[in-house]
Amino acid sequence: EPEVTQTPSHQVTQMGQEVILRCVPISNHLYFYWYRQILGQKVEFLVSFYNNEISEKSEIFDDQFSVERPDGSNFTLKIRSTKLEDSAMYFCASQELGIQETQYFGPGTRLLVL
Amino acid sequence: DQQVKQNSPSLSVQEGRISILNCDYTNSMFDYFLWYKKYPAEGPTFLISISSIKDKNEDGRFTVFLNKSAKHLSLHIVPSQPGDSAVYFCAVAGGTSYGKLTFGQGTILTVHP
Repeated sequence: EPEVTQTPSHQVTQMGQEVILRCVPISNHLYFYWYRQILGQKVEFLVSFYNNEISEKSEIFDDQFSVERPDGSNFTLKIRSTKLEDSAMYFCASQELGIQETQYFGPGTRLLVL
Repeated sequence: DQQVKQNSPSLSVQEGRISILNCDYTNSMFDYFLWYKKYPAEGPTFLISISSIKDKNEDGRFTVFLNKSAKHLSLHIVPSQPGDSAVYFCAVAGGTSYGKLTFGQGTILTVHP
């Protein structure tokens, strides 16, 4: 069964460093998302991406964050200058057609900023 | 963000009995509702969904009920099995957002043998 994959599974970084989280969505899916879950809190929407551009972003997704789909398969989330409060599980999700379709989630990347 | 609330942080059920998980939402414009199951250190796994034009959807042991007038969603698991023990999240989509899912806080379900 096709699945969303994410790398790395864990990442430890120093505050102020750049990190890139990678995702390979399900191959025929067209919509892509990043969510995060800070320990003990809700899963929160960060950004949605369709047709090579951002469809929607949350207030969390400030200028330090960016997304791209560089090669037609990978979907990346970059955090330019990490902060302590960026420590969280980051989940990628993909969706075949759009609204009223199921989003399928990857296993997540646990990011720890020291 | 209190648009989606799961008021029970945890639920404990005996194997073979029914598990009922509840979710309330505030925005009547939401039109697609989902339940996800999550194990520690894994991503949410899709369980079942329902659109706003229906009030019930069934898939095996899992049934989702939607009460639009009460803005209430529930998931019934019958019969419950120990392998069902996990965190269950409701999620909603629609309104002014296209595709974005808004999640509840989650309910920890424990099914005892």
